[in-house]
Amino acid sequence: SQQGEEDPQALSIQEGENATMNCSYKTSINNLQWYRQNSGRGLVHLILIRSNEREKHSGRLRVTLDTSKKSSSLLITASRAADTASYFCATAPGDDYKLSFGAGTTVTVRA
Amino acid sequence: EAGVAQSPRYKIIEKRQSVAFWCNPISGHATLYWYQQILGQGPKLLIQFQNNGVVDDSQLPKDRFSAERLKGVDSTLKIQPAKLEDSAVYLCASSSAAGTGFNSPLHFGNGTRLTVT
Repeated sequence: SQQGEEDPQALSIQEGENATMNCSYKTSINNLQWYRQNSGRGLVHLILIRSNEREKHSGRLRVTLDTSKKSSSLLITASRAADTASYFCATAPGDDYKLSFGAGTTVTVRA
Repeated sequence: EAGVAQSPRYKIIEKRQSVAFWCNPISGHATLYWYQQILGQGPKLLIQFQNNGVVDDSQLPKDRFSAERLKGVDSTLKIQPAKLEDSAVYLCASSSAAGTGFNSPLHFGNGTRLTVT
């Protein structure tokens, strides 16, 4: 079963704008990870945030985690055409090691 | 470092035929995963290996799917006989640590796109 659910399902923005997507999950977690998937390719790991962390940055990416609301957000700042991809959150439940992926958010960056 | 290698990239078969996919993980990665990704969905874990032992295969349809990881390195995933609903991308991933719940990201191959007609 899919533990995480991303919102929105799809997002279209202009180059240079920021893109925000959210992930909600159901049970306690060890960590939450975000991945990117370009069309026809495998998933690429972006950021891992542990359950005791609240915010993490990597280049133009910012991830927040609110364990009280069981939610996370991924912000991409100053988007580029190359950011066009599907973004997935993945969670590792607190009592299990298995990583479960959501259905993803498809981001389209228009030039 | 070389990434996760998968072959073939594409495969088209008729229902009831058999098919096999091959994966070579990143050198030194002990944990190997096979995921099934149906169009428009996120990846679903089929089986996880730790070295050459199966850690989790609870979501593997064992009546038609089988997987092995000989010598704890390469792995093959087989479907026999295939059904229409098996049409999907089959992704192989590897990680360096034992268990994904312990702060270890997964490294994915580009997948094999299977079409069953």
